[in-house]
Amino acid sequence: TQLLEQSPQFLSIQEGENLTVYCNSSSVFSSLQWYRQEPGEGPVLLVTVVTGGEVKKLKRLTFQFGDARKDSSLHITAAQPGDTGLYLCAGDSNTGKLIFGQGTTLQVKP
Amino acid sequence: GAGVSQSPSNKVTEKGKDVELRCDPISGHTALYWYRQRLGQGLEFLIYFQGNSAPDKSGLPSDRFSAERTGESVSTLTIQRTQQEDSAVYLCASSLFTSGRATYNEQFFGPGTRLTVL
Repeated sequence: TQLLEQSPQFLSIQEGENLTVYCNSSSVFSSLQWYRQEPGEGPVLLVTVVTGGEVKKLKRLTFQFGDARKDSSLHITAAQPGDTGLYLCAGDSNTGKLIFGQGTTLQVKP
Repeated sequence: GAGVSQSPSNKVTEKGKDVELRCDPISGHTALYWYRQRLGQGLEFLIYFQGNSAPDKSGLPSDRFSAERTGESVSTLTIQRTQQEDSAVYLCASSLFTSGRATYNEQFFGPGTRLTVL
């Protein structure tokens, strides 16, 4: 059974701080996606990383895919209250189903 | 609209009643998924439809849960004899993923149906 361990589960920080969320697995994925979900809404895709070692930046968000394509991280620089939400990683093994991590609830206080 | 839509947005029902949740995927998306999300938790996979193939029902928690999809369009998730433990947000997603093709399974989610069983 493929599992994707996401940590931390909950993060509460002050505006302006940096943070990193991790997703780890013993399985290799063909690609990995990061989603963000705000209260009352469905998850929205932020990025897809495909190549081992790949780094993608989306404004203050930096996504990295591990060299072995088993793990990924999301780093937020100078977090803002608008970054508050649930962050989900999802691994794709081309089976038709995504393997989702448990999610990281981020609260950024002004 | 261009996105995934779900109805109703909220459903309150009494224990033991049947409920039907609807999902309209993005036009042209061959794959459709149903997930359950309990408060503050991640996504629990329920069922996956891919074109005309037999659906992957491996995530359905009991035989009270069933789902249908008409071709590559609308899907309905039915929960019979609802229990309080069924209370959750039910999310639908669609994607362009096609088995055997080099497509990323980037999923587009609807806003969900919040089900409350009293």
